[in-house]
Amino acid sequence: AQSVTQLDSQVPVFEEAPVELRCNYSSSVSVYLFWYVQYPNQGLQLLLKYLSGSTLVKGINGFEAEFNKSQTSFHLRKPSVHISDTAEYFCAVSDPNDYKLSFGAGTTVTVRA
Amino acid sequence: DVKVTQSSRYLVKRTGEKVFLECVQDMDHENMFWYRQDPGLGLRLIYFSYDVKMKEKGDIPEGYSVSREKKERFSLILESASTNQTSMYLCASTIRGNQETQYFGPGTRLLVL
Repeated sequence: AQSVTQLDSQVPVFEEAPVELRCNYSSSVSVYLFWYVQYPNQGLQLLLKYLSGSTLVKGINGFEAEFNKSQTSFHLRKPSVHISDTAEYFCAVSDPNDYKLSFGAGTTVTVRA
Repeated sequence: DVKVTQSSRYLVKRTGEKVFLECVQDMDHENMFWYRQDPGLGLRLIYFSYDVKMKEKGDIPEGYSVSREKKERFSLILESASTNQTSMYLCASTIRGNQETQYFGPGTRLLVL
């Protein structure tokens, strides 16, 4: 069974500064990896996903993530954040042969002017 | 655009009441999911369904049941609500064969008094 650890529960950041959200997973098999974002009072939406191929994945709103198999990590980055990036971010993992996602506990990003 | 709707955004119920949470998707998705979201715990899978009248337990099914009589509708039932079921409930759906991206509804925030 897979599990996900998000290493930071809260990340405060100033506007236009870079941000990195850390995610580690544990699995003995190949995996699919995802980052979802939840804006206040909304459901989750997909930011990006890694299925196979290039380890650098680009998503919506200027986010990107890098899959590192040796370190079992999938960290999310954005070079310059906006106030509108204030949200909760969830890393998730799935077995390619399974419907189910396992989510991390979430990282709350607060962007300040 | 995929649309997943949930019957209520906010719900207040009393201990012992039977509670129904409804979820409807309009994109003919085969797979549907119910999660609960709690601070510091992320999303945890309660039940999922991969076809009409089919259901499988997720990670935390105790105290819940589900019903899927039509493809577009997936209901979560709290047989006898308890205060520890106060939470945010999120519904999601995905196409069979495209297991990677789950589309989420806006959530129902349930308070059990």
